[in-house]
Amino acid sequence: EDQVTQSPEALRLQEGESSSLNCSYTVSGLRGLFWYRQDPGKGPEFLFTLYSAGEEKEKERLKATLTKKESFLHITAPKPEDSATYLCAVQSDRGSTLGRLYFGRGTQLTVWP
Amino acid sequence: DVKVTQSSRYLVKRTGEKVFLECVQDMDHENMFWYRQDPGLGLRLIYFSYDVKMKEKGDIPEGYSVSREKKERFSLILESASTNQTSMYLCASSLLGQGARQPQHFGDGTRLSIL
Repeated sequence: EDQVTQSPEALRLQEGESSSLNCSYTVSGLRGLFWYRQDPGKGPEFLFTLYSAGEEKEKERLKATLTKKESFLHITAPKPEDSATYLCAVQSDRGSTLGRLYFGRGTQLTVWP
Repeated sequence: DVKVTQSSRYLVKRTGEKVFLECVQDMDHENMFWYRQDPGLGLRLIYFSYDVKMKEKGDIPEGYSVSREKKERFSLILESASTNQTSMYLCASSLLGQGARQPQHFGDGTRLSIL
């Protein structure tokens, strides 16, 4: 069965304190790994897609990387406005023809001034 | 930008009522999805659809049905609402093309309370 595990469940950082969020996955043939940001009371907002091991994507203070077993979302010098829940999702060969994603439970990030 | 619009942000209904949640997307996406999101449980897929009048069960379809009469609109129906269906409901859409390796785009959700 496809599984996605995110850690830690919650992370508190001081402004400017860099860190990483982890997403480990076990799927039967990875077709894509997706990162989302979700603010309270809103729907998830798409950030990145990674397709193959070694790939990296960047957006402002965020950088996502991918290996064969996990992905990291690196946050460099975070600001309070980066506070949100970050969700990871994978698409496997099993659900690929219909675009289905399997989500982790998320990491709740709080950045305090 | 992709826009997924859910008809209500907040909804309060009574036990036993038939409840309709509506979702419209404006990007001509083939796939549409309904999830519910509960604290500690994450996003759980209820139903999805890859074409008009087509539907597939997700992981928790019991107590729900869906309707897709037009490509842009996907409705979630609670046939007889129960208190354990109190939740945040999220609709999403995505393109089917390019090997289906496409991100899903979400609406802002409907927070449904069943009393």
